Amino acid sequence: DQQVKQNSPSLSVQEGRISILNCDYTNSMFDYFLWYKKYPAEGPTFLISISSIKDKNEDGRFTVFLNKSAKHLSLHIVPSQPGDSAVYFCAASGLSGNTPLVFGKGTRLSVIA
Amino acid sequence: DTAVSQTPKYLVTQMGNDKSIKCEQNLGHDTMYWYKQDSKKFLKIMFSYNNKELIINETVPNRFSPKSPDKAHLNLHINSLELGDSAVYFCASSLRTGGETQYFGPGTRLLVL
Repeated sequence: DQQVKQNSPSLSVQEGRISILNCDYTNSMFDYFLWYKKYPAEGPTFLISISSIKDKNEDGRFTVFLNKSAKHLSLHIVPSQPGDSAVYFCAASGLSGNTPLVFGKGTRLSVIA
Repeated sequence: DTAVSQTPKYLVTQMGNDKSIKCEQNLGHDTMYWYKQDSKKFLKIMFSYNNKELIINETVPNRFSPKSPDKAHLNLHINSLELGDSAVYFCASSLRTGGETQYFGPGTRLLVL
């Protein structure tokens, strides 16, 4: 049973445009959400996070939006750059110590110059 | 300086062999993790250690045994390797448990023939 779902396996966006990556979760106990970026043959790199007390967190070109009632979060990248081409993983956990981080399957973003 | 390092990066071995993967973090974190990324690209938690103590042990065969000699190291020993063990294994660390950003190593690509 997938608790964290990324329903789009891939996304192509023109350079300079907005990239929107989506993530849905089913476990209402999740209260901390993260996005990771992964290049081939490398480990996932932390990008941005949000806790459930917020609905938006922004860091430069990256913004994460959280809609708790819909159990949905999204990552916006604007403007998109070719170097953003990577696989993006959504992850979620509870704040208690023994709650593992649960990952989605990832969305491959291709930013076309 | 690499924050989370793993050795080896690649491991090719025969079924039935025993092998170890080492992980070290120089971030001063208390918590370390092992994840497995299978052929379907899911990243799944295997183990979590906090200050050398096991705190998460997901449903993993007994052939997998983590060992944490100190809080900067978490090694993974695998006995009697099987074809299905072929995957990429990622080590990660976080400052504390629960709701903390995890930082990943580059991964160890294990191929069992």
